[in-house]
Amino acid sequence: TQLLEQSPQFLSIQEGENLTVYCNSSSVFSSLQWYRQEPGEGPVLLVTVVTGGEVKKLKRLTFQFGDARKDSSLHITAAQPGDTGLYLCAGAKNAGNNRKLIWGLGTSLAVNP
Amino acid sequence: DAGVIQSPRHEVTEMGQEVTLRCKPISGHDYLFWYRQTMMRGLELLIYFNNNVPIDDSGMPEDRFSAKMPNASFSTLKIQPSEPRDSAVYFCASSPWDSWNEKLFFGSGTQLSVL
Repeated sequence: TQLLEQSPQFLSIQEGENLTVYCNSSSVFSSLQWYRQEPGEGPVLLVTVVTGGEVKKLKRLTFQFGDARKDSSLHITAAQPGDTGLYLCAGAKNAGNNRKLIWGLGTSLAVNP
Repeated sequence: DAGVIQSPRHEVTEMGQEVTLRCKPISGHDYLFWYRQTMMRGLELLIYFNNNVPIDDSGMPEDRFSAKMPNASFSTLKIQPSEPRDSAVYFCASSPWDSWNEKLFFGSGTQLSVL
């Protein structure tokens, strides 16, 4: 059972376009992370959002955590070829000593020059 | 800091052979995780350790898989005997983990192909 649904699964756009990818769940998370993974490498953490409604910005990337802490979005402004990669979201429940993250399958983004 | 170091980067083996994957976590990190990634199933947690002690191995597929962490700077994931369905990318990750700012630092992975 995939508890975190990411959409779209694939996205191919031209340099300079804007895009939004989504991470949705029916479960509540104590925090949610976004990672970017490039081919042949491990995922790299971009941001962690903790508070419902929180918005964080990382240069041209804007991350939002839903008010109910069940969903999140990532918006990229003026995409560049360097943004190409697999974007993964992962939720934490912080239940007791549980250190297991729930992962989405990812959105594969290709930004064409 | 050198980051999480995994070896080998690529492993090609024949069905039935033993495979050992190695990981050196970031110094000072209390948690170590082994993940497997495939296109169909994404990232799957196999097992994780806290202070060298296995905490949750419920993701280990079956008895053919075993993991050890003999000290704070080294862990292994062993598959014996290997099968073609074990082909995947295996990641090791470490984390300093605190309750409000969980961060996972991943290695570059081991691409395993079992023929």
